[in-house]
Amino acid sequence: DGGITQSPKYLFRKEGQNVTLSCEQNLNHDAMYWYRQDPGQGLRLIYYSQIVNDFQKGDIAEGYSVSREKKESFPLTVTSAQKNPTAFYLCASSIWEGNEQFFGPGTRLTVL
Amino acid sequence: SQQGEEDPQALSIQEGENATMNCSYKTSINNLQWYRQNSGRGLVHLILIRSNEREKHSGRLRVTLDTSKKSSSLLITASRAADTASYFCATDERGDTGANSKLTFGKGITLSVRP
Repeated sequence: DGGITQSPKYLFRKEGQNVTLSCEQNLNHDAMYWYRQDPGQGLRLIYYSQIVNDFQKGDIAEGYSVSREKKESFPLTVTSAQKNPTAFYLCASSIWEGNEQFFGPGTRLTVL
Repeated sequence: SQQGEEDPQALSIQEGENATMNCSYKTSINNLQWYRQNSGRGLVHLILIRSNEREKHSGRLRVTLDTSKKSSSLLITASRAADTASYFCATDERGDTGANSKLTFGKGITLSVRP
């Protein structure tokens, strides 16, 4: 089955800890994206990558980091520098930028 | 920054009625897309309309685009309880250099369809 997966579904973190969210796709898409969604809000772009070994900051990149070593994988690290990390995180991919995006099921991160 | 703004923020209708949702945006776009999100889930792409298109259909969905007014509407005909979800419009803006296109999402519309 082709698709995009995220793990874990729920994640709890203590303040001051870094945590990495996984995103994998087997759709052979070049572009991948990370969004953050807060209650009652739309999606805000954190980072995006259009090709392996390259990525760009989105609108709210501070406190986050990413890597794109493989086409299939785009992990997101939420660092201790992110002041308010509790949110729903969504990963997406598309054939190329501007085209329809396919979303994973999301990871809900809670900071205790 | 948020490009698309949906209207209304919430909509409650009876099963069988039509649901109309609107989206306005501010800058020139290449295309506009509508997505659906069930509670606690990822988004699902519904339909994409390009800047040179005025209307598009997909099953019970009808999307219009008016680039002169910088607005779009999504019509769901003969709604069903299963249509209950949040609906987002997203605009594809291309930068001045023509590169690094990305989608900008609105805050979404919550649609409730009563059985």
